[in-house]
Amino acid sequence: AQSVTQLGSHVSVSEGALVLLRCNYSSSVPPYLFWYVQYPNQGLQLLLKYTTGATLVKGINGFEAEFKKSETSFHLTKPSAHMSDAAEYFCAVRNAGNMLTFGGGTRLMVKP
Amino acid sequence: EAGVTQFPSHSVIEKGQTVTLRCDPISGHDNLYWYRRVMGKEIKFLLHFVKESKQDESGMPNNRFLAERTGGTYSTLKVQPAELEDSGVYFCASSQAQPGGANVLTFGAGSRLTVL
Repeated sequence: AQSVTQLGSHVSVSEGALVLLRCNYSSSVPPYLFWYVQYPNQGLQLLLKYTTGATLVKGINGFEAEFKKSETSFHLTKPSAHMSDAAEYFCAVRNAGNMLTFGGGTRLMVKP
Repeated sequence: EAGVTQFPSHSVIEKGQTVTLRCDPISGHDNLYWYRRVMGKEIKFLLHFVKESKQDESGMPNNRFLAERTGGTYSTLKVQPAELEDSGVYFCASSQAQPGGANVLTFGAGSRLTVL
């Protein structure tokens, strides 16, 4: 069975500060890993994904994530937070049957 | 290209009533998924259609939930009779089949169901 743990349901950063959202997963097969973002009143939007190959994955809006197999982690980072980054972020792992297992979500707040 | 469209965006019903949620996937996407997020919990898988066939319905909570995808286009999710614990946001997603690759899901904005 697969599972995803996102540490911190709420994260607050100042504008311009580093954003770090943590995600750890468990998977019995090589994982496909995803980060989705949900802005208010919108659907889940794909930020980035890891399938195979390069372990540092770059996504939209300046976000990136690094797959670390030894740590079973896929943390999301952005060097400098912007007010528009305020949203809820979801880490997910996909199983062989195409089903996504999501973490509980992390709400990012950006202070001016 | 139009995205995944869900209707209604918000529904408020009384316990025991029936509600039908609709999802229009991206045109040409054979895969259609339903997920649900109950307040404060994770987003959880409900079921997966490939065209009009149910590929995996292991996440359906009980027989009060009925999903259909007649003709392999839009899908409906009916809850009958609704219970308080059915309240939450129901997400629909669709994807194309990509041989050997990650099947990226495009999600709709969700239908928020409130059962009073």
